[in-house]
Amino acid sequence: GQQVMQIPQYQHVQEGEDFTTYCNSSTTLSNIQWYKQRPGGHPVFLIQLVKSGEVKKQKRLTFQFGEAKKNSSLHITATQTTDVGTYFCAGGGYQKVTFGTGTKLQVIP
Amino acid sequence: DSGVTQTPKHLITATGQRVTLRCSPRSGDLSVYWYQQSLDQGLQFLIQYYNGEERAKGNILERFSAQQFPDLHSELNLSSLELGDSALYFCASRQGGNTEAFFGQGTRLTVV
Repeated sequence: GQQVMQIPQYQHVQEGEDFTTYCNSSTTLSNIQWYKQRPGGHPVFLIQLVKSGEVKKQKRLTFQFGEAKKNSSLHITATQTTDVGTYFCAGGGYQKVTFGTGTKLQVIP
Repeated sequence: DSGVTQTPKHLITATGQRVTLRCSPRSGDLSVYWYQQSLDQGLQFLIQYYNGEERAKGNILERFSAQQFPDLHSELNLSSLELGDSALYFCASRQGGNTEAFFGQGTRLTVV
């Protein structure tokens, strides 16, 4: 079955440093979604990428979808303490949405 | 507020018991998904329903079952509970197709 892996599993950064998490799927994806889960909270949708090679930005967050539609990345510029949480990618389709293993981000003030 | 309601928020029960978790999706959403999240772990997909029918199954144990009712709310039944079943159980709903998933606040199940 489809597997979606994320690296790294954990990342500690000093506030102000950049952060990147990578998402790799074993199969071609129709789209990729990114979610953020704050500590003690539930996953919240951030963005969806659909086209091969697509790049989208949300303020300090940059999302990319690979040319082969099997990988994606999320890059945060100049992290802030509000960025703390676990970031999940999700390979989607019309039915099962497979979530990646997640990257837990800790930001040290 | 995501619009997805899960009850109860917390549940403590003994091993061997049976519990039912309930989920009301966002108004208009036909798809309901159930996920299990163990401590500091990822989201393990359990099962998906679309308009009352089972559409996809993940790593759901035989002791677990679910259903979606005509009013679109869903229930996840967990039986013969074991200590390892202690986890956060999330329900999510989608309108359908390639749309975003909206998650409920989760039910934290503790098996003692």
